[in-house]
Amino acid sequence: DTAVSQTPKYLVTQMGNDKSIKCEQNLGHDTMYWYKQDSKKFLKIMFSYNNKELIINETVPNRFSPKSPDKAHLNLHINSLELGDSAVYFCASSHRQGMNTGELFFGEGSRLTVL
Amino acid sequence: GIQVEQSPPDLILQEGANSTLRCNFSDSVNNLQWFHQNPWGQLINLFYIPSGTKQNGRLSATTDATERYSLLYISSSQTTDSGVYFCAVVAYNTDKLIFGTGTRLQVFP
Repeated sequence: DTAVSQTPKYLVTQMGNDKSIKCEQNLGHDTMYWYKQDSKKFLKIMFSYNNKELIINETVPNRFSPKSPDKAHLNLHINSLELGDSAVYFCASSHRQGMNTGELFFGEGSRLTVL
Repeated sequence: GIQVEQSPPDLILQEGANSTLRCNFSDSVNNLQWFHQNPWGQLINLFYIPSGTKQNGRLSATTDATERYSLLYISSSQTTDSGVYFCAVVAYNTDKLIFGTGTRLQVFP
């Protein structure tokens, strides 16, 4: 009964390939996020969707495209992978409380290695 | 944007010791969370504490929203407490949970 689940957990691929990471939450939350954690452990927000609508789009290359087919799912597609894309990608979800984001809950992360 | 600073960056303790981790932030917030990232990389929610004081077993946290800081107390530390502790905040009028750079804690037997 995992609350926020991501697949795959590990992904090793060659430069130039296209890959996707999937995220699903069963918490009934209305907002979902993608974060990137680099090799120095720094966590940075990439995207956020609220009720399938994009509300945060940080300065992320166009090669990254999020898709939210419904409130419970937020997928991340990456085109033309580069060495610098190697990182751990975390999905998260929260329930908006008025103007507040609410408490965020994170998935276990997907470690992407680009060779 | 809002700045989040955590101190100390590194902490080495013997089992049984107590410690205090600090998080300073540069603007008013409507969300503050503490996380523990364990050695397997999982981000574990510790506290959701935009203000006030909370306790959960050996851990407690307090946030002073006016003075713009939060403290995480770990008492009687255990080796399983090792990992990185992150503070993260959401500034008013934004929807972004911004993370600090973390405190790396190592607890030795």
